[in-house]
Amino acid sequence: AQKITQTQPGMFVQEKEAVTLDCTYDTSDQSYGLFWYKQPSSGEMIFLIYQGSYDEQNATEGRYSLNFQKARKSANLVISASQLGDSAMYFCAMRETWDNAGNMLTFGGGTRLMVKP
Amino acid sequence: DTEVTQTPKHLVMGMTNKKSLKCEQHMGHRAMYWYKQKAKKPPELMFVYSYEKLSINESVPSRFSPECPNSSLLNLHLHALQPEDSALYLCASSLNPGQGYEKLFFGSGTQLSVL
Repeated sequence: AQKITQTQPGMFVQEKEAVTLDCTYDTSDQSYGLFWYKQPSSGEMIFLIYQGSYDEQNATEGRYSLNFQKARKSANLVISASQLGDSAMYFCAMRETWDNAGNMLTFGGGTRLMVKP
Repeated sequence: DTEVTQTPKHLVMGMTNKKSLKCEQHMGHRAMYWYKQKAKKPPELMFVYSYEKLSINESVPSRFSPECPNSSLLNLHLHALQPEDSALYLCASSLNPGQGYEKLFFGSGTQLSVL
């Protein structure tokens, strides 16, 4: 079963408008972390925002905010005031357990966002 | 320096060739990772090095051989690859393998084509 589900393969948004990218996850762990990464056509994965399972406040980083609904197991990314440079692939990722072996991320299928001028 | 540098950016190789991918970071990170990403798919974990020791191998075929010569450098040696191994290979690093909130820093990847 998929651990991270992104149901929107592609989305359009008008420049300067806000957009929400959906992410649902499946885990039985109590302690986990959720990440959003942006991947432009250049290929690099760029970190956007992090939410820990015990964090009571929704995470925010500039124009990015995370709508974390723990009971629903969802961690949607909200981008405010979209810019043309926001056009990219967006991945939601989860880390369930971590130890000295490393911090392994499991990625969702991604959402391609296209910003229209 | 907050970069993960990968070389080469593009690589074309035949099925009988031996080549290597290189990844370097100078952020003092103690964990380094190789991910494989096929077109229009999410990255998939291949290997993890923690404190310069191989800690995770996600059942990767032996034609892929990782190496971590020191804490700043990670190599992926390629031998007798198949056309289906064509993909974007991403390297990543994180500061402290034991901290769950830490993000991974990714390089721009090596686009590999196997003919």
